[in-house]
Amino acid sequence: NAGVTQTPKFQVLKTGQSMTLQCAQDMNHNSMYWYRQDPGMGLRLIYYSASEGTTDKGEVPNGYNVSRLNKREFSLRLESAAPSQTSVYFCASRGREPGQGTSLAEAFFGQGTRLTVV
Amino acid sequence: LAKTTQPISMDSYEGQEVNITCSHNNIATNDYITWYQQFPSQGPRFIIQGYKTKVTNEVASLFIPADRKSSTLSLPRVSLSDTAVYYCLVGAYSSASKIIFGSGTRLSIRP
Repeated sequence: NAGVTQTPKFQVLKTGQSMTLQCAQDMNHNSMYWYRQDPGMGLRLIYYSASEGTTDKGEVPNGYNVSRLNKREFSLRLESAAPSQTSVYFCASRGREPGQGTSLAEAFFGQGTRLTVV
Repeated sequence: LAKTTQPISMDSYEGQEVNITCSHNNIATNDYITWYQQFPSQGPRFIIQGYKTKVTNEVASLFIPADRKSSTLSLPRVSLSDTAVYYCLVGAYSSASKIIFGSGTRLSIRP
């Protein structure tokens, strides 16, 4: 059971280049999330997907696009990378178990992608 | 999710009990209180969740007073490996809901 898998783990881009960060989960979760974390800071939500086929903006969506390809996969695309997007990117998934009621279901995180834009 | 307030940082020593308090004055009736732990260079991981009174697991205890406007995460006999950032989140599950992390509390444990 791999949980949440992110690729790549490290990436260096030149300003203006584009790339897609991949995320896949094998827990059959409905909800998936993309965060960025700058050095010494908390996590900031970029985009999230409540279910397959839906996506919504988070706190810091500018400069990013996302695709919920299917229930397992949620990708994050940088169309024209900027130095301000240098950060660690985390993907997460969450799903409510039967009988869990309204408790805030546990989110599972990937190991992160460390992106540097020069 | 309800807005939460927690200390920016805390220091303690190995073997001590550490208590981190989170304020959430606008907590709603259906809201649960959840704590996450994040080690350097890793994603956050769930520690504990509760609705009222006290919850205990193998990692921590969570104390919630009757008015539920605050909660305290208690880490017994901490070690150097407990050095991490701890996040307090308050809310009820909805598949459409965002998960917003605040700045968290940076806990440093010294020998």
